[in-house]
Amino acid sequence: QVQLVQSGAEVKKPGASVKVSCKASGYTFTSYGISWVRQAPGQGLEWMGWISAYNGNTNYAQKLQGRVTMTTDTSTSTAYMELRSLRSDDTAVYYCARVHSSSFDYWGQGTLVTVSS
Amino acid sequence: DIQMTQSPSSVSASVGDRVTITCRASQGISSWLAWYQQKPGKAPKLLIYAASSLQSGVPSRFSGSGSGTDFTLTISSLQPEDFATYYCQQANSFPHTFGGGTKVEIK
Repeated sequence: QVQLVQSGAEVKKPGASVKVSCKASGYTFTSYGISWVRQAPGQGLEWMGWISAYNGNTNYAQKLQGRVTMTTDTSTSTAYMELRSLRSDDTAVYYCARVHSSSFDYWGQGTLVTVSS
Repeated sequence: DIQMTQSPSSVSASVGDRVTITCRASQGISSWLAWYQQKPGKAPKLLIYAASSLQSGVPSRFSGSGSGTDFTLTISSLQPEDFATYYCQQANSFPHTFGGGTKVEIK
């Protein structure tokens, strides 16, 4: 069965970086893209960006350009999202999701990233 | 960027009620629209893709319609497990923006 398993919760200081992993199983990793979505406490869903697991092409939300990098490791079927220069308003649950027919059909369990001094 | 506007932002309904949620795109998105259900503390779950296609395993009481700029999600007979927040999302062009969400609450 398809599964996306994310890395554990992180606590970071303002200005630091965080790298969240998303390990896929149960399907051919390179046949689908991965998108990242975040959700601040009590807020809605925010699309962060997309990466093709086939060729590494990316597209990022403009507000995160320059601070976010999405990568994949096809040898381990793992996607990564790195966010730099963290601020308090980056505190959120971060999700990875498999992209199929331009929708997100499988999601990771979420990773809470807390940014606090 | 394409803006997605959901209405209402919340709705109170009873078990058995028919519930309709609307989503409007700021420009035409053909049928590139998905609907998700999210329960507290859980990841979202895909309900509908391509505006009207039911995701495998999703009960048939959920249906989606629309194209262009106006879309609806209908729950034909609300069940206790349907109390949740619902989001629309466009996938016509990057960024793949979400609507603000509609919370379906118990009346």
